[in-house]
Amino acid sequence: KNQVEQSPQSLIILEGKNCTLQCNYTVSPFSNLRWYKQDTGRGPVSLTIMTFSENTKSNGRYTATLDADTKQSSLHITASQLSDSASYICVVSDRGSTLGRLYFGRGTQLTVWP
Amino acid sequence: EADIYQTPRYLVIGTGKKITLECSQTMGHDKMYWYQQDPGMELHLIHYSYGVNSTEKGDLSSESTVSRIRTEHFPLTLESARPSHTSQYLCASSGNRDRETSGTTDTQYFGPGTRLTVL
Repeated sequence: KNQVEQSPQSLIILEGKNCTLQCNYTVSPFSNLRWYKQDTGRGPVSLTIMTFSENTKSNGRYTATLDADTKQSSLHITASQLSDSASYICVVSDRGSTLGRLYFGRGTQLTVWP
Repeated sequence: EADIYQTPRYLVIGTGKKITLECSQTMGHDKMYWYQQDPGMELHLIHYSYGVNSTEKGDLSSESTVSRIRTEHFPLTLESARPSHTSQYLCASSGNRDRETSGTTDTQYFGPGTRLTVL
């Protein structure tokens, strides 16, 4: 069964600290993996996208890694800011259909305290 | 600035009412989607469209219906709202030209969502 599991479910850190969010998936055949940021009451916004051949990709203070062999990804946030408080969703796409079926994790709820 | 719009942002309505959630995008995307999301849960695909006059049901069974008469517009309708329809509804679109990668990875761009409460 194609699944995307994220950990931790929630995380609280102090402003300025770093953190790492985890994503494990069983989706096959794999096409790409995205990390989205979803602010409360808003739609998700794409942070990074990685295909099979990419191991790491950065977007400002966000760095995503992908290990396609172990089917694991991580999102590292450096020097956290209050505006980083949001849900971070891992989304995996398969190659099994024209639609490019997306599998969503439940997200990690990050809270950054001053 | 957002290129995909949803209205209303919040809707509180009584049981049995007919409602239409609007979604429009200005990116010329051929594919559009409707998702349902409950608090703390993953997004569930309820409808999608490959283009004009194309609509398909998603993975999560839904009593709603959709139409795609114009490329930019993908409204969702509930003929008779019930409390079990209370949820957040997110619209998304994607196209062959990906703004991030200049490739064909079909990133989905989401609207701000409609929070529906049925009393």
